[in-house]
Amino acid sequence: QSVLTQPPSVSGAPGQRVTLSCTGSSSNIGAGFDVHWYQHLPGTAPKLLIYGNTNRPSGVPDRFSGSKSGTSASLAITGLQAEDEADYYCQSYDSSLSGSVFGGGTKVTVL
Amino acid sequence: QVQLEESGPGLVKPSQTLSLTCTVSGDSISSGNSYWSWIRQPAGKGLEWIGRIYTTGSTNYNPSLKSRVTISVDTSKNQFSLKLSSVTAADTAVYYCARQKIQLWLSNDSWGQGILVTVSS
Repeated sequence: QSVLTQPPSVSGAPGQRVTLSCTGSSSNIGAGFDVHWYQHLPGTAPKLLIYGNTNRPSGVPDRFSGSKSGTSASLAITGLQAEDEADYYCQSYDSSLSGSVFGGGTKVTVL
Repeated sequence: QVQLEESGPGLVKPSQTLSLTCTVSGDSISSGNSYWSWIRQPAGKGLEWIGRIYTTGSTNYNPSLKSRVTISVDTSKNQFSLKLSSVTAADTAVYYCARQKIQLWLSNDSWGQGILVTVSS
């Protein structure tokens, strides 16, 4: 059971917008700790998509955007493309555990 | 551009100690601009944070693994290492080393390709 809760799967047609949620608690996201998002394709290294809740590293398309409110965070993918099919993980810091925590991951399927 | 590469045995016997090393190129562990992390992923499961180390040798560990984990750093070789003792089949996973960049809000911006470690007799 992950400290951060993500839906196991989300799907959408090409061109559509999908939103992935990441729900935490008062000891992590709700405490003001930053949320980061990663894209993970099987057999490859995870890739940083969003850092500090809303910031995109250089090279990440602006189709990806992050937001945070209260004890939750979200990753939005607009103009969904076949290459976006992957697992997505959120990450934050938890003060009660004194360390990083990940969500269980959301598998995005492009229909 | 920073690169990280994991190395170590791919097969470890139950009850023994898993030992992995991460070699960093393109950045200096001594620079103090990052923490250096170990993260793992069991087959079919999500990512699990194991722990991290700073250039000073200061460490933080996942409480669920703390009694069995040791992370160390060798700045002269620009490497950091993971030791996990008393392993069981549940420790079978792909192990990643990663850079946690202070300037990027402590996100893991660079990762190794990962190394599969199987615990089996």
